Amino acid sequence: AQTVTQSQPEMSVQEAETVTLSCTYDTSESDYYLFWYKQPPSRQMILVIRQEAYKQQNATENRFSVNFQKAAKSFSLKISDSQLGDAAMYFCAYRSAEWEGGGADGLTFGKGTHLIIQP
Amino acid sequence: EAGVAQSPRYKIIEKRQSVAFWCNPISGHATLYWYQQILGQGPKLLIQFQNNGVVDDSQLPKDRFSAERLKGVDSTLKIQPAKLEDSAVYLCASSHRPPGLAGAPAYEQYFGPGTRLTVT
Repeated sequence: AQTVTQSQPEMSVQEAETVTLSCTYDTSESDYYLFWYKQPPSRQMILVIRQEAYKQQNATENRFSVNFQKAAKSFSLKISDSQLGDAAMYFCAYRSAEWEGGGADGLTFGKGTHLIIQP
Repeated sequence: EAGVAQSPRYKIIEKRQSVAFWCNPISGHATLYWYQQILGQGPKLLIQFQNNGVVDDSQLPKDRFSAERLKGVDSTLKIQPAKLEDSAVYLCASSHRPPGLAGAPAYEQYFGPGTRLTVT
């Protein structure tokens, strides 16, 4: 079974600064996807960024980028130019890509990191 | 495009009572998921449907939890009888995962707003 670990329960950053959230995972699979989700107090899970394991290039989405280290099983999220609206819980998640037909593809989540933005 | 709908948003019940949650996925999404998110933790998959068939229910406490997806659209998740440890947010998600393809393409799971259950 896969596991996802987020070792930072809470992080704080000044507005406009850069912050990096850490995530490690454990899997015996070679093909998979990794995700960062944002969950504001409204509880709606919002996809921030996705990384395919077979791609060496790190994914970027505007101010959000990842540092994917497959051999180290590490997947960190960097948020540049932090904004007040970035304040939320951030979850790292894993999804297997090794399925065929009706295989299970539910997400495995870490415990989350609470990101605080200081104005 | 309408998102994933869930109801109710909040529910308070006493232990040993029963409760049901409803989910309406995004139109055309064949795959539906129920997750349980206990306070301070990440969501945990309870059950996954592909159309109206169960793909994975390995983490569903089947002695008290049940779920169905009649006609492959809406789904209900039921707890009977509820325990204190069932207090959590129950999230429904759906995706347009194409069936029968090896090597999953880059599809996304879309989440609903969740139902917060408090068992007293």
